[in-house]
Amino acid sequence: TQLLEQSPQFLSIQEGENLTVYCNSSSVFSSLQWYRQEPGEGPVLLVTVVTGGEVKKLKRLTFQFGDARKDSSLHITAAQPGDTGLYLCAGARSPDYKLSFGAGTTVTVRA
Amino acid sequence: GAVVSQHPSWVICKSGTSVKIECRSLDFQATTMFWYRQFPKQSLMLMATSNEGSKATYEQGVEKDKFLINHASLTLSTLTVTSAHPEDSSFYICSATGSTGNTIYFGEGSWLTVV
Repeated sequence: TQLLEQSPQFLSIQEGENLTVYCNSSSVFSSLQWYRQEPGEGPVLLVTVVTGGEVKKLKRLTFQFGDARKDSSLHITAAQPGDTGLYLCAGARSPDYKLSFGAGTTVTVRA
Repeated sequence: GAVVSQHPSWVICKSGTSVKIECRSLDFQATTMFWYRQFPKQSLMLMATSNEGSKATYEQGVEKDKFLINHASLTLSTLTVTSAHPEDSSFYICSATGSTGNTIYFGEGSWLTVV
């Protein structure tokens, strides 16, 4: 059983559509991070959220951390083919800062 | 540029041999490093946590005698896969964090193929 439940597992949409990826847990995290990973490469950090209720925007990407710091979402507006990749959420809990990863969401944006 | 570097990026070894993967923090002191394993189209699975100068803490189900981890300095951790078998073929990724733990940086990953 994974600490972080990420959904959906796969998402295939047309260019220009919006998408949302969810990350849920029954545990409280000191911070939650979102990564994007391309095949054969390490994960690249997109954002870190640390405050309950926090919303961060990164161009067309909007990240939200739940009030109770147990869940998070990633919303992409007007998706582009370059957004294709594996999106991973990961929660950190003090004191050892080990990251617990969600199962990942494979996003495919068709031109 | 990369702040955590892994070497080699890919390696092919014969079954029964050992192979070492290095993880270096380039411009910060990594008090804690983490080693992950990732199978195709799956998420990262934490193998072990290593703190500089102490023994690594392994996750349940990970054989510590097979996956030797050394974190001898604040900028270098190594993972040695001993007596490798084809089922050990995988993508191995390290990450590192400083003393505050606020930001965790990932390496580029190392592909291991055991033939």
